[in-house]
Amino acid sequence: KAGVTQTPRYLIKTRGQQVTLSCSPISGHRSVSWYQQTPGQGLQFLFEYFSETQRNKGNFPGRFSGRQFSNSRSEMNVSTLELGDSALYLCASSVTPGQSGYTFGSGTRLTVV
Amino acid sequence: GENVEQHPSTLSVQEGDSAVIKCTYSDSASNYFPWYKQELGKGPQLIIDIRSNVGEKKDQRIAVTLNKTAKHFSLHITETQPEDSAVYFCAARGGSEKLVFGKGTKLTVNP
Repeated sequence: KAGVTQTPRYLIKTRGQQVTLSCSPISGHRSVSWYQQTPGQGLQFLFEYFSETQRNKGNFPGRFSGRQFSNSRSEMNVSTLELGDSALYLCASSVTPGQSGYTFGSGTRLTVV
Repeated sequence: GENVEQHPSTLSVQEGDSAVIKCTYSDSASNYFPWYKQELGKGPQLIIDIRSNVGEKKDQRIAVTLNKTAKHFSLHITETQPEDSAVYFCAARGGSEKLVFGKGTKLTVNP
C-alpha cells in the first residue's frame, strides 16, 4: 500500500512569506503528527491531529499552524517565515493516536532565504 | 515535559563488530520506546520498539533493552554491515502522549 506522501519535496521561500505543506497519511490511518527536523535540534514535535482535531501541540510560536481534513489529509502552515524556519518538515501517520508504529513520510525540505 | 537524551552522537565501528546506542528518559509515565533509522534523503523508519512491560526484545541482529528503574533503554546491533550506516533515533512516549525523540546517533560501519 502507498506510504505517507508529503508534498512538495523541496521549497524555497523568502523571509516574510508564508508556506503550506501537505501530508497524505497511509490509507486507514487517522492520526497525523508533524515534526521539524534540524541538524542542531533533531526532531521537534509540532502538533498531532486526529479526527480533524488537534490533540497535542509542541512548543512552537503561533506562526505554525495546522489542520486535518475529513479524509485525514493534513496541512501545516507557517506564516511570516524566518531564516530559522529552514528545516526538514516530517509528517507521520498512525491508525490512532498513541498507537505504536508511526510511519514517516520523506519530508518537505523548506529553505528560507 | 518528557526529555530524551541519546549517546553517543557519533559512532564508528568496523564491519562485523557490535554497536550500542543508549538513551535515557525523564518521564516515569513513559510506556513506549521505538527506535528509528534514517538514511540520507529519507524519513525515519521504525526498526524496533519495546513497551514498558517488556525488558528486552530481539529481531535478528537488532535488540533493544529497557531498564525502567534507571529510565534508560539501549539499541544493540550485532554483526554490523555497511548498510547499517545511518542516523538512529530513540524516542519515548510519556504521559502527554507526545512521541519525543533523542537527538540522534550517526553510525558509520567501515568495511
